[in-house]
Amino acid sequence: DTEVTQTPKHLVMGMTNKKSLKCEQHMGHRAMYWYKQKAKKPPELMFVYSYEKLSINESVPSRFSPECPNSSLLNLHLHALQPEDSALYLCASSQVGEPGSIYFGEGSWLTVV
Amino acid sequence: GDSVTQMEGPVTLSEEAFLTINCTYTATGYPSLFWYVQYPGEGLQLLLKATKADDKGSNKGFEATYRKETTSFHLEKGSVQVSDSAVYFCALFMDSNYQLIWGAGTKLIIKP
Repeated sequence: DTEVTQTPKHLVMGMTNKKSLKCEQHMGHRAMYWYKQKAKKPPELMFVYSYEKLSINESVPSRFSPECPNSSLLNLHLHALQPEDSALYLCASSQVGEPGSIYFGEGSWLTVV
Repeated sequence: GDSVTQMEGPVTLSEEAFLTINCTYTATGYPSLFWYVQYPGEGLQLLLKATKADDKGSNKGFEATYRKETTSFHLEKGSVQVSDSAVYFCALFMDSNYQLIWGAGTKLIIKP
C-alpha cells in the first residue's frame, strides 16, 4: 500500500480546460516531487519542493503550475494543455536527507483531448 | 554526464528461474545506486539501494551489489515468481545533480 495518495486516478481534459492534480503524504517527508512518465519510459522530473519551497523546476512549460500549500500536500495545476502532455503524472516524497530514496504515489493518468 | 545503462527487455523467464538484470553506470563521483520496480498500472516502488562500493542491497528476495571496479549494480533473484512480472528501473543519485538519473527500464515477464 502506497503512503502517497494521488487524486484523481484518471483525468480527461480538453485543451481549454483548467484542472488540478492533488497529492498527499503523511510520512513527515519535507521533499515532494512531480514526475511525468510516458509509456514504457523512465519518469522525468518536473518539480521539486523542499520545505514547501520550489527548489527545482526542470524547465517545465508554464501551463503546468505546481503548488505546495503545506508539508503534506502538493498540487499540480493544469491549464491549456496539449495532447502531447497526455501521460502518467507521479507525485513522490522523500526525506530531505535521502533524496534518492523516493516514495511514489500510484499516479494520475491524464489524457488531453 | 552521468548515465545508467540497463539491458534491453523484455526478459522472459519461466517461474523459479534465476534472474539477472544488468545495470552499469557512468558517474564522475561516487553515486548512490537504486533499483525501482513498477508493477502494471502502478507507480514506482523503491526495491533496494546501495550507497557505497561493495554494499549489497536486498529486498523481497532480490539482491544487487555495488561494484565500483566494474561500475555495475546488477539485479538478481534466485527463483522468480509470476508476481515479479514488472518493469525494473536502475537509477543513480549524485549530490551534485540532486536528482535521480534513470536507466531506460527492463520489462520482466515471468511465465508459469
